[in-house]
Amino acid sequence: DAKTTQPNSMESNEEEPVHLPCNHSTISGTDYIHWYRQLPSQGPEYVIHGLTSNVNNRMASLAIAEDRKSSTLILHRATLRDAAVYYCILRDVTYRDDKIIFGKGTRLHILP
Amino acid sequence: NAGVTQTPKFQVLKTGQSMTLQCAQDMNHNSMYWYRQDPGMGLRLIYYSASEGTTDKGEVPNGYNVSRLNKREFSLRLESAAPSQTSVYFCASSVDRESPLHFGNGTRLTVT
Repeated sequence: DAKTTQPNSMESNEEEPVHLPCNHSTISGTDYIHWYRQLPSQGPEYVIHGLTSNVNNRMASLAIAEDRKSSTLILHRATLRDAAVYYCILRDVTYRDDKIIFGKGTRLHILP
Repeated sequence: NAGVTQTPKFQVLKTGQSMTLQCAQDMNHNSMYWYRQDPGMGLRLIYYSASEGTTDKGEVPNGYNVSRLNKREFSLRLESAAPSQTSVYFCASSVDRESPLHFGNGTRLTVT
């Protein structure tokens, strides 16, 4: 089973910020939080990842709760091209087992 | 750099036929993964290889075999294809456990 929980779908208006939540209540101290997105008919692509501190890159921001049991991917100004399925996953950097399990993700709809 | 290259892009098999899906990466990555994605579903891990010479089962390994031929290549074999193996198959790679996954564009397989 996936170690993360995400809403099945969300809607947002174009040019507005989007906050995509992810719960990971069983996260361990050595789990990195990764976000990927999958555009229609394409393979998943990396968006952002972090361990404890909030992270920013050209695509998005990642806000990590202080207890690390949840995180939020922030798209600052959504465009129609951001319509995709967004996956939040955990990756343990020390445990021998490197099974990277994806859940069903959140399907983001952008309204023009 | 080509990144992660998967061949073929499309394949149709009859039940009982065998085939090998090829994956190669030119980024000197250590870890490689095979996922399948059924329509409207998330990604499910079939097998992975944490380093050259090692392979491990993922969530859904039955009916598949893998070979980590060298650091660059990780192949997935279906010995006797079944209609339940109709899916899109994605290969991914990662340099280490703190780094993102890079995905190929997928192989769309139909078993009739």
